[in-house]
Amino acid sequence: AQSVTQLGSHVSVSEGALVLLRCNYSSSVPPYLFWYVQYPNQGLQLLLKYTTGATLVKGINGFEAEFKKSETSFHLTKPSAHMSDAAEYFCAVSASGGYNKLIFGAGTRLAVHP
Amino acid sequence: DAGVIQSPRHEVTEMGQEVTLRCKPISGHNSLFWYRQTMMRGLELLIYFNNNVPIDDSGMPEDRFSAKMPNASFSTLKIQPSEPRDSAVYFCASNAGTGYGYTFGSGTRLTVV
Repeated sequence: AQSVTQLGSHVSVSEGALVLLRCNYSSSVPPYLFWYVQYPNQGLQLLLKYTTGATLVKGINGFEAEFKKSETSFHLTKPSAHMSDAAEYFCAVSASGGYNKLIFGAGTRLAVHP
Repeated sequence: DAGVIQSPRHEVTEMGQEVTLRCKPISGHNSLFWYRQTMMRGLELLIYFNNNVPIDDSGMPEDRFSAKMPNASFSTLKIQPSEPRDSAVYFCASNAGTGYGYTFGSGTRLTVV
């Protein structure tokens, strides 16, 4: 069965600093991997996804993530944090068995301070 | 495209009352998912449909919860009777196929007093 582990429920960075949010997954089949962002009082919004092909994927708002099969990881990064990046971030992996179901991690709340 | 549309945006009801949450998925999406989000339990999958057919309702917490999808453009989540512990944000999401990811609605914030 698929599962997702997000290391660190809370991450705090200074404005302009590197953002690194960690995600490890387990999957018995080649995974599709996703990162979502949730701003306060809003729904989840797709940041980026990996399905096949290039292992470094770029998303919206300057975020990117790299699929590393050997490490079963899909960490999210951004070179320079902005105050507007403060939100909760969810990593997700596609479940086997079809029907398009995703398995979500518990989320990481990112705080950005001046 | 207007995205996934949920209504109402906020709902306050008294314990014991029936509550119906509504969702209109994106046209052409063949899967629909209902989630509940709370501070304590995070994001929980309640039920999902594929081509209007319920596939897995194992996340529905109790028989007080029921969901329907009478056609490809409409789904409801009903709680009867409601209880204070049902207070949460309920999200609907739809999906066009494996690898596309979900599109979430803005959610319904339910408060049961």
